[in-house]
Amino acid sequence: DAKTTQPNSMESNEEEPVHLPCNHSTISGTDYIHWYRQLPSQGPEYVIHGLTSNVNNRMASLAIAEDRKSSTLILHRATLRDAAVYYCILWGGGADGLTFGKGTHLIIQP
Amino acid sequence: EAQVTQNPRYLITVTGKKLTVTCSQNMNHEYMSWYRQDPGLGLRQIYYSMNVEVTDKGDVPEGYKVSRKEKRNFPLILESPSPNQTSLYFCASINRGSSYNEQFFGPGTRLTVL
Repeated sequence: DAKTTQPNSMESNEEEPVHLPCNHSTISGTDYIHWYRQLPSQGPEYVIHGLTSNVNNRMASLAIAEDRKSSTLILHRATLRDAAVYYCILWGGGADGLTFGKGTHLIIQP
Repeated sequence: EAQVTQNPRYLITVTGKKLTVTCSQNMNHEYMSWYRQDPGLGLRQIYYSMNVEVTDKGDVPEGYKVSRKEKRNFPLILESPSPNQTSLYFCASINRGSSYNEQFFGPGTRLTVL
């Protein structure tokens, strides 16, 4: 399985943008880039996913490098409720499940 | 409201006493899956089901059984629980027929085996 590399933790201030990086240099052509987050004491929650083009939804934006070897999850205006572990996952939509790494622990300071 | 429910949310049991953790989804999803989450190991898939009566092993299936008799339910069965199965368990479902491919996760079941 193609692996992803994320920083262990990041810290940001409330109401500022947050850019969470993810490297995936061995990504295959059929892998989608998925982002999930896990708030304390909750199950993982879908954030966004994309294949080649940048994507926007109500929660975040996903910027994908032209060579697809890296991507960045962008939270435009972080709130305290965005404090969570963020997972960058490659998934081709096959029968196997999502492979969660250790993710990035995002800390939001008030 | 679209959701995945699990019961019980918390369970303390003893070695060898059979238990079942139930999982139900109301989205008519074909694909369902069980994960366990342990500190330092992340989430690992235990079993998955592509559809009714179709199940297969994930990465860590030893000591677990599942069944899929109807689309909405996917129970996880521990026939003889052992302390190394103490963990946080998540059920998930996904609409594989959609390009959306969002996995919905349940709230989790924290299991302690003494």
